[in-house]
Amino acid sequence: ETGVTQTPRHLVMGMTNKKSLKCEQHLGHNAMYWYKQSAKKPLELMFVYNFKEQTENNSVPSRFSPECPNSSHLFLHLHTLQPEDSALYLCASSYQLGTEQETQYFGPGTRLLVL
Amino acid sequence: QKEVEQNSGPLSVPEGAIASLNCTYSDRGSQSFFWYRQYSGKSPELIMSIYSNGDKEDGRFTAQLNKASQYVSLLIRDSQPSDSATYLCAVFSGGYNKLIFGAGTRLAVHP
Repeated sequence: ETGVTQTPRHLVMGMTNKKSLKCEQHLGHNAMYWYKQSAKKPLELMFVYNFKEQTENNSVPSRFSPECPNSSHLFLHLHTLQPEDSALYLCASSYQLGTEQETQYFGPGTRLLVL
Repeated sequence: QKEVEQNSGPLSVPEGAIASLNCTYSDRGSQSFFWYRQYSGKSPELIMSIYSNGDKEDGRFTAQLNKASQYVSLLIRDSQPSDSATYLCAVFSGGYNKLIFGAGTRLAVHP
């Protein structure tokens, strides 16, 4: 266990559904991240939050909407997704953002299937 | 040119051998380097970090960094079948001010 939890672990949704992914970290970190990992592709950084403020949106489609109510919680709201959005969605956290000793710890991920 | 490059593999080694995984990066100003292990269907798990030129050892794992050559490697001694996984190299790029991951090298250790 890394101290980063994600729920649900698996999710199947239709293209018209709305769902949310949740991430919680118990490490006292200040930065949180959402990544997408598709089959046989490298990790794709989606969003970065530092002290609850979004600092990066990596050209992610608006059907993905992040929310960070505090430094310990991060959500990813999903609506009208496409089948190509099926992937493993990973949350990570680090103590400091943008420092040379940034070490990110990952949650177990949510395996998403869009039908 | 990709910021962080790794050979996708698979790298196949026999049990008990040394597995050598390599990574090159493009941002010469990078100062922090990480190796993650990812089992199939699981999330990346941090194995080692290295910040200074030279070798850093932790159990069966040795990370090697050569900033002049922009090269970082991971050696796994006495490889075990349980080491079979994808190994991700990550580099903190000062130019982009963020951690950049390579695509990973798949390692297969056969008995």
